[in-house]
Amino acid sequence: DSGVTQTPKHLITATGQRVTLRCSPRSGDLSVYWYQQSLDQGLQFLIQYYNGEERAKGNILERFSAQQFPDLHSELNLSSLELGDSALYFCASSVVDRAYNEQFFGPGTRLTVL
Amino acid sequence: AQSVTQLDSHVSVSEGTPVLLRCNYSSSYSPSLFWYVQHPNKGLQLLLKYTSAATLVKGINGFEAEFKKSETSFHLTKPSAHMSDAAEYFCVVSEYSGGGADGLTFGKGTHLIIQP
Repeated sequence: DSGVTQTPKHLITATGQRVTLRCSPRSGDLSVYWYQQSLDQGLQFLIQYYNGEERAKGNILERFSAQQFPDLHSELNLSSLELGDSALYFCASSVVDRAYNEQFFGPGTRLTVL
Repeated sequence: AQSVTQLDSHVSVSEGTPVLLRCNYSSSYSPSLFWYVQHPNKGLQLLLKYTSAATLVKGINGFEAEFKKSETSFHLTKPSAHMSDAAEYFCVVSEYSGGGADGLTFGKGTHLIIQP
């Protein structure tokens, strides 16, 4: 158990809908990262927050957004969902915002868009 | 920009024989390198990391990796494979460019199969 929690574990929805994925980092970790894992794209970095502020952006679509709240939990919002958004979404956390700090991954949320 | 190439999409070895998973990286700055493992229907777990200290890095479960700057490689090895090692392995690079740490860049993964 990494100490990172994600809810829900599974989510099934329809095209065009909007969903919110939630992540609670390990106690004491200030940095939260979101990743998408799909069969065709592999594991891709989406976005990072550090202590409530957006720090880095990866291959995140404009239909997707995220935020980190004062209690440090984070939410990833996916809107106007398409079939291709079906994937496993991971959240990770680390203590500080440094490349050498390993990230601890949550168990993931499996999103299925029908 | 950083990138990672895992040279084998699948590796099959017999239980008790050595494991070698190959990884080459490209980085504009001094990189940090990691190996993560993902067991079926599980999240990712850190095996080991290199952060510019010793070039031979020991990790969990008997795995180790050697950083070779001249070859831009970070291959993962284990002397004797165990059935429980069957999983997907990811070589990962991270950079800190001064403007903030970017997210991790993952290789496409190597599926390790252990034959009884």
